[in-house]
Amino acid sequence: QTHLQESGPGLVKPSETLSLTCTVSGYSINSGHFWGWIRQSPGKGLEWIGSISHIGNTYYNPSLKSRVTMSLDTSRNQFFLNLRSVTAADTAVYYCARGASSPAAAGFWGQGTLVTVSS
Amino acid sequence: EIVLTQSPGTLSLSPGERATLSCRASQSVARNYLAWFQQKPGQAPRHLIYEASSRDAGIPDRFSGSGSGTDFTLTISSLEPEDFAVYYCQQYGTTPGTFGQGTKVEFK
Repeated sequence: QTHLQESGPGLVKPSETLSLTCTVSGYSINSGHFWGWIRQSPGKGLEWIGSISHIGNTYYNPSLKSRVTMSLDTSRNQFFLNLRSVTAADTAVYYCARGASSPAAAGFWGQGTLVTVSS
Repeated sequence: EIVLTQSPGTLSLSPGERATLSCRASQSVARNYLAWFQQKPGQAPRHLIYEASSRDAGIPDRFSGSGSGTDFTLTISSLEPEDFAVYYCQQYGTTPGTFGQGTKVEFK
């Protein structure tokens, strides 16, 4: 059974970089699908951040594109999110997800991790 | 980007009643790639419906999706106590993917 688990710091200082890891078990990420990140904050609801395909093609939300980098490590069956120059507006629960049919699909989610941006 | 507008914002119903939730897109959703999610407090969203009308494995058949183009509907035929939650639609036919603002189904 496929399982996705987010990990990373729960507190990030303003202007620094938010870095999260999603560890996938029960499915090999280089077998296919899109591997994405979505966040949820009280002020903005659910927001699709972007995704990376199993061969490393990336798709970013234009609203965040200048600050986002996604990557994957097939040997560890993990994929990653880096969000630079964070502000309080980036405080949210961050979810990783797997999508099947398109870069923005998100049929299967991790449990989420709260990241707070504060000094 | 495609803007999704859900209505109503809140639906107050009793167990056994029928719930009808609407999701309207600002432009046509490519390939009818429209999904519905259920979210309960403290939990990740749960994927219910994909391609507007196909149920995920394990989703009870009281949940059904319909619609095409710009107008979509999620129907819960007879509410069970565990169905009281917030429901979101998402279009994934074009990037960026976008979500509606949610409809809360609450106990009347």
